[in-house]
Amino acid sequence: AQKVTQAQTEISVVEKEDVTLDCVYETRDTTYYLFWYKQPPSGELVFLIRRNSFDEQNEISGRYSWNFQKSTSSFNFTITASQVVDSAVYFCALATGGATNKLIFGTGTLLAVQP
Amino acid sequence: GAVVSQHPSWVICKSGTSVKIECRSLDFQATTMFWYRQFPKQSLMLMATSNEGSKATYEQGVEKDKFLINHASLTLSTLTVTSAHPEDSSFYICSVGGNQETQYFGPGTRLLVL
Repeated sequence: AQKVTQAQTEISVVEKEDVTLDCVYETRDTTYYLFWYKQPPSGELVFLIRRNSFDEQNEISGRYSWNFQKSTSSFNFTITASQVVDSAVYFCALATGGATNKLIFGTGTLLAVQP
Repeated sequence: GAVVSQHPSWVICKSGTSVKIECRSLDFQATTMFWYRQFPKQSLMLMATSNEGSKATYEQGVEKDKFLINHASLTLSTLTVTSAHPEDSSFYICSVGGNQETQYFGPGTRLLVL
C-alpha cells in the first residue's frame, strides 16, 4: 500500500521562528518520487520540490530546506525564519512508476505564521 | 515548469444541471492530465487520469458516467459534472505532467451546487 502521513494538522508559529513540517511515506516500490506543494488561501498548488528515491541528498533553497531519510521513510520540510507569507497549507505527496504518474497526497499541514 | 489554466475559476449552478470545466496546458503538450477533487479542509484526491485520444482512467469509487472527461488535444482536457448535486460541490483542480517529471497544477475551479 502507498500512503503519505502528515501527522501535524495545524502549526502556529510567530514570525522569524523556524518550523519543520513532517512527512512520512509508505511504499514498496524502489523507485519513487516525493514532492512538497504549497497551497495558499487562493487555492492554487505551488510546486516546491521534487526528490527521487535514489537521491538522499538534502536540499536548501533560500529559507527552505528538505531532509530526506530513506531509513525512516521521511521527507521533512523546514522553513527558517518564517514569514507571514509562508502561511498556507503544505502538502507532501508521493508518486511511483514515474513522477508524472498519479500523486498520492498527505492530508496537509496548515501553517499559520503570526506577525 | 508547465503553465496550466482552468476555466471557469468558480461556478454556481442549480442542482440537476451539468457543468463543464476546462483545463489547458499553455506551454506544454500534455498527453496526460490529471483531475483532482478537494473538499474543504481536506486533501486532494485523484479522480481520473485523462489520456489524449483515448478514454480516461477513473479511480475506484469515481462514477465515470457522472464525471465525463474529454482529452481531445494535447493542450485541453475537459471535465463535465453531469446532473450536479450539492454533494458535488468541491474544488476541482487539474494537473499536467511537465518537464523534470513534475506535475504542475492549474489554479482550480470552485463548484457550488445549490
